[in-house]
Amino acid sequence: EDQVTQSPEALRLQEGESSSLNCSYTVSGLRGLFWYRQDPGKGPEFLFTLYSAGEEKEKERLKATLTKKESFLHITAPKPEDSATYLCAVRQSGGSNYKLTFGKGTLLTVNP
Amino acid sequence: DADVTQTPRNRITKTGKRIMLECSQTKGHDRMYWYRQDPGLGLRLIYYSFDVKDINKGEISDGYSVSRQAQAKFSLSLESAIPNQTALYFCATAPGGELSAYGYTFGSGTRLTVV
Repeated sequence: EDQVTQSPEALRLQEGESSSLNCSYTVSGLRGLFWYRQDPGKGPEFLFTLYSAGEEKEKERLKATLTKKESFLHITAPKPEDSATYLCAVRQSGGSNYKLTFGKGTLLTVNP
Repeated sequence: DADVTQTPRNRITKTGKRIMLECSQTKGHDRMYWYRQDPGLGLRLIYYSFDVKDINKGEISDGYSVSRQAQAKFSLSLESAIPNQTALYFCATAPGGELSAYGYTFGSGTRLTVV
């Protein structure tokens, strides 16, 4: 069964203090690793999709990378508005299914 | 208007009552999903549908049922609500083919409390 583990569960940073969030996964034949951002009381918002080891995607202060066993979401010089829960998900392998299995998320707090 | 609309946004109901959560979308996506989110447990899949005639159980379907009334509408029902169904419920849609790289589009959620 596919499993997605995110660490740390919570991370508190000072504004401008760069760091990384981790998403490790076990899946038989990855068909996409997805990153989402979720603000309190709202639905998750899509950030990135990564498909193969070595792939990188960037958006503003965020950069996602992928290896064969894990993905990192690097946050460079974060601002308070980057505070949110970040979710990682993998696409279920096999057939034409398109289902995502989510990790429990990392709650990021950026203090001014 | 939102691409994926969930109603109601908040609901308090009593144990044993039947309740329906509704989801409609304007994305034109064939694939629709219902997830619940609980603190410490993350998002878990309840049911999903790849077209009007296709309904599939997710990992936690017991106590729930769904109806896909049209391509744009996917409803979740709790036949007899119980307190451990208190959670935040999300509907999501997804495109097919190459556009699947853009992932799900989520609704804003329904916060359900069963007392």
